[in-house]
Amino acid sequence: EAGVTQFPSHSVIEKGQTVTLRCDPISGHDNLYWYRRVMGKEIKFLLHFVKESKQDESGMPNNRFLAERTGGTYSTLKVQPAELEDSGVYFCASSQRLGLAGFSSYNEQFFGPGTRLTVL
Amino acid sequence: GQQVMQIPQYQHVQEGEDFTTYCNSSTTLSNIQWYKQRPGGHPVFLIQLVKSGEVKKQKRLTFQFGEAKKNSSLHITATQTTDVGTYFCAGPGNQGGKLIFGQGTELSVKP
Repeated sequence: EAGVTQFPSHSVIEKGQTVTLRCDPISGHDNLYWYRRVMGKEIKFLLHFVKESKQDESGMPNNRFLAERTGGTYSTLKVQPAELEDSGVYFCASSQRLGLAGFSSYNEQFFGPGTRLTVL
Repeated sequence: GQQVMQIPQYQHVQEGEDFTTYCNSSTTLSNIQWYKQRPGGHPVFLIQLVKSGEVKKQKRLTFQFGEAKKNSSLHITATQTTDVGTYFCAGPGNQGGKLIFGQGTELSVKP
């Protein structure tokens, strides 16, 4: 079974430019998450898709960040225009959703290798 | 807002010594997960604890979930160089699904 893949692995751009990150989750996983780790600090949640719908986007820093998951398969995260503080490693993760007796529980999340974004 | 605190931030040990990282949540957790990130790698799921006072073992790793379900610990017995990496605890967010990560404990092991 293929794992979560992300593209590109590295991106170096100048302040003010646009970058689009892509994530392909594990096939069949309805849940897709974006996280960011900045300069060795904690991993911070950005947003959560369930299929093609945004379940929770409370972690998105500002309106320069736009995430999409058309068709409920792969997802893109666009940063436009990029700022210096956007540098970091962007991780995508996916998980199955378990429905049980009227409520849902969430199990382990499978992380992709990450995209290291450097904004100069 | 909901916070997960983890200490220590760094731990340097001699190979063969034990290692422990501690995790404390500002709120009661329905479960807690532990992940390991090797240098240059990505977080990899280790385990999930659900029950109050639960203890689980994976070879040299022992995971505990506090009675109040607000704290947890990971203990490694007789560390090896393969244990090097950053260990994160993570609790579920208020809205479900998302994970709130601790700051992580970076473990280095000197052979």
